[in-house]
Amino acid sequence: DGGITQSPKYLFRKEGQNVTLSCEQNLNHDAMYWYRQDPGQGLRLIYYSQIVNDFQKGDIAEGYSVSREKKESFPLTVTSAQKNPTAFYLCASSIGHPGETQYFGPGTRLLVL
Amino acid sequence: GENVEQHPSTLSVQEGDSAVIKCTYSDSASNYFPWYKQELGKRPQLIIDIRSNVGEKKDQRIAVTLNKTAKHFSLHITETQPEDSAVYFCAASRSGTSYGKLTFGQGTILTVHP
Repeated sequence: DGGITQSPKYLFRKEGQNVTLSCEQNLNHDAMYWYRQDPGQGLRLIYYSQIVNDFQKGDIAEGYSVSREKKESFPLTVTSAQKNPTAFYLCASSIGHPGETQYFGPGTRLLVL
Repeated sequence: GENVEQHPSTLSVQEGDSAVIKCTYSDSASNYFPWYKQELGKRPQLIIDIRSNVGEKKDQRIAVTLNKTAKHFSLHITETQPEDSAVYFCAASRSGTSYGKLTFGQGTILTVHP
């Protein structure tokens, strides 16, 4: 999992602002994911991508957008439409199919000013 | 879709005791069951996993058992130590298929008292 990096570690968002969280992996994994974790809660899937230029909505995609232009990168944009964005955001990747073992990045904590 | 229920939500044990966390799943086609450990403020890390072709797997003080008939699997930690204190998540999926995403349980907060 050391091959997955996320930046920044902390991010502050102002009202009405879009912010983008970075996720990069050098594991040559095909699939990548974004999860949201609220305090004391489990992992909720936002978006996932199995191959370049293709991605699917997870369970809580509203207010978020993603792109997958390169195999190594899967950035997440938290739009102004997401009214409660404060959370810990985790990126993960896996070889091949989405049901395989996922390896997580260190996370980005998003806070609203 | 798959639904994974995890119990208990919190578990407190004395150092040296055993800890057991149980998960049930709904999709009988699920065939891959990983367990993750997440320390406070850190990323979840895979600690052990099991596939449906085996009933038990062990790695030092950690073991996982699977009962496909009852659709439940459990994490067993023996001789617990304070550094085992963390949140543990189970998950289930149809591995090897194009639509089998990992579905996570809600997590168990394990506290090991010295």
